This record gives sequence, C-alpha cells and structure tokens, in this order.
Amino acid sequence: SQTIHQWPATLVQPVGSPLSLECTVEGTSNPNLYWYRQAAGRGLQLLFYSVGIGQISSEVPQNLSASRPQDRQFILSSKKLLLSDSGFYLCAWRGRGNQPQHFGDGTRLSIL
Amino acid sequence: DAKTTQPPSMDCAEGRAANLPCNHSTISGNEYVYWYRQIHSQGPQYIIHGLKNNETNEMASLIITEDRKSSTLILPHATLRDTAVYYCIVRVASGGSYIPTFGRGTSLIVHP
Repeated sequence: SQTIHQWPATLVQPVGSPLSLECTVEGTSNPNLYWYRQAAGRGLQLLFYSVGIGQISSEVPQNLSASRPQDRQFILSSKKLLLSDSGFYLCAWRGRGNQPQHFGDGTRLSIL
Repeated sequence: DAKTTQPPSMDCAEGRAANLPCNHSTISGNEYVYWYRQIHSQGPQYIIHGLKNNETNEMASLIITEDRKSSTLILPHATLRDTAVYYCIVRVASGGSYIPTFGRGTSLIVHP
C-alpha cells in the first residue's frame, strides 16, 4: 500500500534562518506531489505542485521554493524565513487520472 | 479561489445523520467532486468522490444532483469522532494540469 512520510512534525526556527522540509512517498511511482500551507483557522493554500522529477509549478509568489530531486521526494525550502512563513505545512500525493489526494501528517512551523 | 460553496459550520447530534451540502454551480462535465475532512492538527483525510452517480463507501455516502450543481455528503450515524472540518472540492484546471483547490470547508460539530 502507499504511504506518505513528512518530517519533522514540529519545527521552531528563528527569523532569517533557512528551512528544509522533506516529503517522501512509498508504494507508487510517478505521483503528482503537492505542498500546501494552512494558517490557523484557515483553508489550505496550494504553494507548489509537481507532475514529475524536476518539474515544479508555483501557485503563489513567496519566500519559499520547492524541488523534486527524485520521483517520490518533494522538498520545501527557504533561504531566509520570515515571520509570515509560520503555519501548518502539508505534503500530498495523487496518482494519475481522477485519483484523490492523500496527505501527510503535516509540519507545524513556528517562526520566532 | 475555490469553486465550491459550503456553510461555514453545522452541528449534529450523535447517532443522527449528518448531511453536509456543497454548491458547485460552475462544475464542468469532466470534473469530479471530492470530499475530505480534517481533524484538528492533522492532515486532511480523503472520504469519497464522484462524477455523476451517487456513491457509497464505508465512511459516507455522496449524493450528486442530476444537474451536478450541488452535492451532499451524508454521514449516516455521526459519532463524536466525526467532529472535523469537511472540505468539498472540485478539480480546477491550471495550465493543463488539474489542481485540487480547498476552500474553508464546513466545521461539523457532533454533540452528545
């Protein structure tokens, strides 16, 4: 069966520090991959999605970037974190066609 | 922006059916309707999806109107653990790829 791993579960970082969040998927190949951010009490904001290795689409301009170095690995990064980058970050994968998305457990990021 | 409209909150008595409505009046002929729920501090969980026919699985039933402009998620016997935010989404086309977009959902509170 397919599983998605996302880590760390929680992270506290100072303003201006770098960020690297990793997401990996097992049990499937060539998935669509997504990064979302959720502010407290709000809906999910799509940040990036990828349909293949090295193919990244950005939905909103921001202080973040994404990379997909391997088929089932999706990384969210920042060179210098801002206070506004705080939030709940979710990785998701989806198979081809009309398959639903499946989400990881999320990373709660606090910027001090 | 999400192409769906949901009431911001609903409540339901434990053991009764919870009927969560969703309007998607601009849905196109080949777009599916998906339902997810998110329990506090967790990633969204897939529930069910459909195109035009009613669907049922072990978690819920999905009723889609004949004109496909609205749908209802039914939890037949709600329990306290069904308290969550429920998202109704349709796949939104973006640059040739279909991108699921989440709105704010319906906060369902199941009370004893």
